[in-house]
Amino acid sequence: NAGVTQTPKFHILKIGQSMTLQCTQDMNHNYMYWYRQDPGMGLKLIYYSVGAGITDKGEVPNGYNVSRSTTEDFPLRLELAAPSQTSVYFCASSQTGGWNGYTFGSGTRLTVV
Amino acid sequence: KQEVTQIPAALSVPEGENLVLNCSFTDSAIYNLQWFRQDPGKGLTSLLLIQSSQREQTSGRLNASLDKSSGRSTLYIAASQPGDSATYLCAVILENQGAQKLVFGQGTRLTINP
Repeated sequence: NAGVTQTPKFHILKIGQSMTLQCTQDMNHNYMYWYRQDPGMGLKLIYYSVGAGITDKGEVPNGYNVSRSTTEDFPLRLELAAPSQTSVYFCASSQTGGWNGYTFGSGTRLTVV
Repeated sequence: KQEVTQIPAALSVPEGENLVLNCSFTDSAIYNLQWFRQDPGKGLTSLLLIQSSQREQTSGRLNASLDKSSGRSTLYIAASQPGDSATYLCAVILENQGAQKLVFGQGTRLTINP
């Protein structure tokens, strides 16, 4: 059982470029989340989804987009990358929206230069 | 707005000591609370989940308590070991329109010295 898988693990992006961070879970969880973690800080919610076809903004959504076409996949799209988007990105999923806790991926470390 | 604070930000203790990490939150209307461990450059590993109706949870040398009325949780680590060195994150889970969301503290960076 792989859990939550994120790719890539590391990436360097130039200012103005775009890219997609991939997140896949094999636990048939309905709820999926994207967080970012800046150095020395806690995690902040970017976007979340309660099921296929349903997404909503979190605390820091500007500069990002998401889609949820299947239960398994929840990709995060960065458009026109900026240095402020340099961060570690974590994807998480939950079966019951938090009642039984969350499972996190290992993260994607993104640097925008 | 729910805010989560963890004190201290960093802690260094000799091996074998018992220690307590603190987490406080401003809004007591939480769904539940989860403690995570994060090793440098790694993802988050769930340690303990305390549901809102519970007062504590235990796993091995770890014990987490929850006092919703005072907005506090503590993580107690018994007989600390160098392998316990990591950053410990506390997160409360808020219910929002059917999708519970985590609000994290900044973490406590723990170092256990051999």
